[in-house]
Amino acid sequence: AQSVTQLDSQVPVFEEAPVELRCNYSSSVSVYLFWYVQYPNQGLQLLLKYLSGSTLVKGINGFEAEFNKSQTSFHLRKPSVHISDTAEYFCAVINTGTASKLTFGTGTRLQVTL
Amino acid sequence: GAGVSQSPSNKVTEKGKDVELRCDPISGHTALYWYRQRLGQGLEFLIYFQGNSAPDKSGLPSDRFSAERTGESVSTLTIQRTQQEDSAVYLCASSLSRGGANVLTFGAGSRLTVL
Repeated sequence: AQSVTQLDSQVPVFEEAPVELRCNYSSSVSVYLFWYVQYPNQGLQLLLKYLSGSTLVKGINGFEAEFNKSQTSFHLRKPSVHISDTAEYFCAVINTGTASKLTFGTGTRLQVTL
Repeated sequence: GAGVSQSPSNKVTEKGKDVELRCDPISGHTALYWYRQRLGQGLEFLIYFQGNSAPDKSGLPSDRFSAERTGESVSTLTIQRTQQEDSAVYLCASSLSRGGANVLTFGAGSRLTVL
């Protein structure tokens, strides 16, 4: 079974500052990794995904994440945030082999202020 | 449809009542998932459908929870004799097929409040 840990439940940041949202996973087999974003009163929306290939993955809205197999991490970064980035961010993992279920972390609330 | 549609968007019910939550997946998506999101917590897997069958029901918390899917389309999640701890947002997602690389598309959720 796999698991996901998002250590930061909330991350406050000023507009135009850089941000990193941390995600660590645990799995005994190879995995695919995802970041989803949930804006207020909306469903989850895919931000980016790592399936294979380059470990640096670029997503929508200027976000990127780097897969680090040795550290079992998939941290999300953005060099300069906007007010509109205020949302809940979820990291998720699924095993590549069997079609197991997507396992989510507990989420990180990104609060961007002026 | 263009996206995953869920109804009702909000439901307030009294403890002990039964509730039904509906999910209309994206047309052509054979895989359908139900998740539960409690306040301040991550998404908790409930059940997965491939077509009309449910090969993974491991996340259903008790026998008060059941789900069905018909016509490889609409799915209904039923909670019998609701309890206060059932209060949560219930999210439905669909994907083209089973398989880890398939991206899930989520609906906006059904917020259930049990008084």
